[in-house]
Amino acid sequence: NAGVMQNPRHLVRRRGQEARLRCSPMKGHSHVYWYRQLPEEGLKFMVYLQKENIIDESGMPKERFSAEFPKEGPSILRIQQVVRGDSAAYFCASSPTTENNSPLHFGNGTRLTVT
Amino acid sequence: AQTVTQSQPEMSVQEAETVTLSCTYDTSESNYYLFWYKQPPSRQMILVIRQEAYKQQNATENRFSVNFQKAAKSFSLKISDSQLGDTAMYFCAFMKLFQGAQKLVFGQGTRLTINP
Repeated sequence: NAGVMQNPRHLVRRRGQEARLRCSPMKGHSHVYWYRQLPEEGLKFMVYLQKENIIDESGMPKERFSAEFPKEGPSILRIQQVVRGDSAAYFCASSPTTENNSPLHFGNGTRLTVT
Repeated sequence: AQTVTQSQPEMSVQEAETVTLSCTYDTSESNYYLFWYKQPPSRQMILVIRQEAYKQQNATENRFSVNFQKAAKSFSLKISDSQLGDTAMYFCAFMKLFQGAQKLVFGQGTRLTINP
């Protein structure tokens, strides 16, 4: 059973370009979370999605950032018109349910560098 | 809002020694979960240990154990017989289940180096 798969592993974008980060949850998992890790900091919650629904996006910037988890295919975190401050590692995590005894499984992250 | 504080940015010990990483948190909730995650240079987030707040018994996983002091809002991690492979960033995290979402609040991390 493959773990949470994120790609690309590294992504370099120039200021003003768009970044698209992909996450395939573990098989059987229908709950996806995105977290951001700035350099030398802990992860910070961005958004929580279930299939075709955004449940909680309270941690996501209101502008330029969007997320989706379609019925088919991976979850996508999209950052439009990237700026240097968007440089960070972006982690996806998944769980099968929202039960307390189902811990989150994290992917290896995508490191975004904005030049 | 919940906050998690790790007061030790870096620690270094010799192989086979015991090391304790500190973590304090602030919350008004009575039921919650606490975690320690390990992040090696590969960047993978690995769950080390988990503690339910309603359980008085401290969680243990092989060489890893916690000292959970609920009244003091303290959650330290003890690593016994440390190994070179324990070298990593360690993050303490708090979670309250809110509207079904598992929203983790992380501390800033402690960089642990195990020296041969």
